[in-house]
Amino acid sequence: QQPVQSPQAVILREGEDAVINCSSSKALYSVHWYRQKHGEAPVFLMILLKGGEQKGHEKISASFNEKKQQSSLYLTASQLSYSGTYFCGTDTGSLTSYGKLTFGQGTILTVHP
Amino acid sequence: EPEVTQTPSHQVTQMGQEVILRCVPISNHLYFYWYRQILGQKVEFLVSFYNNEISEKSEIFDDQFSVERPDGSNFTLKIRSTKLEDSAMYFCASSEVVNGNYGYTFGSGTRLTVV
Repeated sequence: QQPVQSPQAVILREGEDAVINCSSSKALYSVHWYRQKHGEAPVFLMILLKGGEQKGHEKISASFNEKKQQSSLYLTASQLSYSGTYFCGTDTGSLTSYGKLTFGQGTILTVHP
Repeated sequence: EPEVTQTPSHQVTQMGQEVILRCVPISNHLYFYWYRQILGQKVEFLVSFYNNEISEKSEIFDDQFSVERPDGSNFTLKIRSTKLEDSAMYFCASSEVVNGNYGYTFGSGTRLTVV
């Protein structure tokens, strides 16, 4: 079953902040976040492992609440280059999954000048 | 920075024809995947491949699909008898390890159009 992302779309002005959420009904080992620009491949942003850690990547950070099986991606002081579709990918850590990710439906982020 | 290379970038084929999509993963990566994305929709898992064999496949990956790593570098996806609904962007991805601090590196994709 795929994770559920919210919101489906966000429109921002440059400099504004956004939060994208990813929620799973299954116990997770890790959550990945990717950004995809139109017509391009998804690009890896970060991975959150079981343990509830928070990670940062420039002005983009994320958290993982293991108890709730939820992850949030935080984009602060957004730039035009942040525009794209953001996907979370979840891994249940099954011994047979070999890193298979199940992706959410995506959140379209549009940043205007 | 190392890349995953996919060819061709676009492929148009007649319904019922066979297509082979090619991928060259990053050389020291051990885990390989095929995903597809129907226009405007989510990225869907097709198959994972490790140690020269399929480790998991989705319901989409039926008997018309097959994967091979024929020469230790290329990783191919074959669709034997294409259907209209196979039209999608097909992404190859590879990963050095799983459940570590490494994500996937995706190729730039092959846009398959079945007419």
